[in-house]
Amino acid sequence: SQQGEEDPQALSIQEGENATMNCSYKTSINNLQWYRQNSGRGLVHLILIRSNEREKHSGRLRVTLDTSKKSSSLLITASRAADTASYFCATAFSGNTGKLIFGQGTTLQVKP
Amino acid sequence: NAGVTQTPKFQVLKTGQSMTLQCAQDMNHEYMSWYRQDPGMGLRLIHYSVGAGITDQGEVPNGYNVSRSTTEDFPLRLLSAAPSQTSVYFCASKEGVGELFFGEGSRLTVL
Repeated sequence: SQQGEEDPQALSIQEGENATMNCSYKTSINNLQWYRQNSGRGLVHLILIRSNEREKHSGRLRVTLDTSKKSSSLLITASRAADTASYFCATAFSGNTGKLIFGQGTTLQVKP
Repeated sequence: NAGVTQTPKFQVLKTGQSMTLQCAQDMNHEYMSWYRQDPGMGLRLIHYSVGAGITDQGEVPNGYNVSRSTTEDFPLRLLSAAPSQTSVYFCASKEGVGELFFGEGSRLTVL
């Protein structure tokens, strides 16, 4: 089974609202990453948070990591229609930092 | 830099046919990987490589072969295609524990 589980599977909000997506994982990690995918395109990296970090910011993105609960969240503030996409978390295992295992993703729709 | 280049972008096969999906990167990354993406399943890791001459299995390796003879190239081979292999395939590369750089995908249909 996949390492990461994301919820919600789908999220629909109005422009200007905040969007929060959650990711849970099963085993110890070296880092956790978030990616974005526009329809029909490849994935693009958004942010990486290491296992010894609790929070990270990048522009309108805020990522938190709780290793005791094995969970992470991605917050997009003041969303825009252009944020409409699928968002995936990916985990790099502690013992094997080579491979990244992805969750099933959250599809975000931001209505203008 | 072109980044990660996948070919072909689209392919239709008949059951039992073989083919190779090509992947090349020009960033001198040691790590390369192949994923497949199916509706509602997210991305699942097929095979990965941490350097030339080294490959390992991911989550769903059955039905696929890989090799890594150079740092730049990481082809994915389907020896006998099955309808269950209809999917979108993504190649990705990275350096160390950093971010993955993805190709634009190859859409494969097996009839």
